[in-house]
Amino acid sequence: AQSVSQHNHHVILSEAASLELGCNYSYGGTVNLFWYVQYPGQHLQLLLKYFSGDPLVKGIKGFEAEFIKSKFSFNLRKPSVQWSDTAEYFCAVIPPTGKLIFGQGTTLQVKP
Amino acid sequence: DVKVTQSSRYLVKRTGEKVFLECVQDMDHENMFWYRQDPGLGLRLIYFSYDVKMKEKGDIPEGYSVSREKKERFSLILESASTNQTSMYLCASSSWPYYEQYFGPGTRLTVT
Repeated sequence: AQSVSQHNHHVILSEAASLELGCNYSYGGTVNLFWYVQYPGQHLQLLLKYFSGDPLVKGIKGFEAEFIKSKFSFNLRKPSVQWSDTAEYFCAVIPPTGKLIFGQGTTLQVKP
Repeated sequence: DVKVTQSSRYLVKRTGEKVFLECVQDMDHENMFWYRQDPGLGLRLIYFSYDVKMKEKGDIPEGYSVSREKKERFSLILESASTNQTSMYLCASSSWPYYEQYFGPGTRLTVT
């Protein structure tokens, strides 16, 4: 079945560690790609998005993601995490069908 | 800033009750969406609407209906609540189906 997969369900890091969260999708054709973040007690908000152009996308709070078309991947990275990055992160894809499809989510816990 | 509001943050209902969840957006967006969020499953689309009085089923519409009488308001209705509908319900809106969606704070519904 077509889907969006986030391989890491729960990640625990120490402050200043580097972060990479994997996201793979199985849709062909043109896709729009997103990472959303949900901080504890807050609503879901957009972290970054890719529609076209430069496959390396920079978002808010020092996050970036790289679209690798040949690998159907859109991994999220941050060179040095902070305690305030503790949150749940969702990868999402809009395939040619037009409906936003979310991955299962990754809970990131950053230890101070 | 886009603002999406939901009528309740927390709701407790009994099995068999009819439940209304209301969502209002203030950005004149054409598209509105209802999702449910469950641990380990990410967000799953229940229904969406791309215009007033128009609606389309998402991935899990069973047990739900929707109403969109005005552009800014999108209601989710549980005709006869059941315990398996205990979940976090998120409303979102967007200006175009392929663009990023803006989310409300969510309603945590418990059906006892």
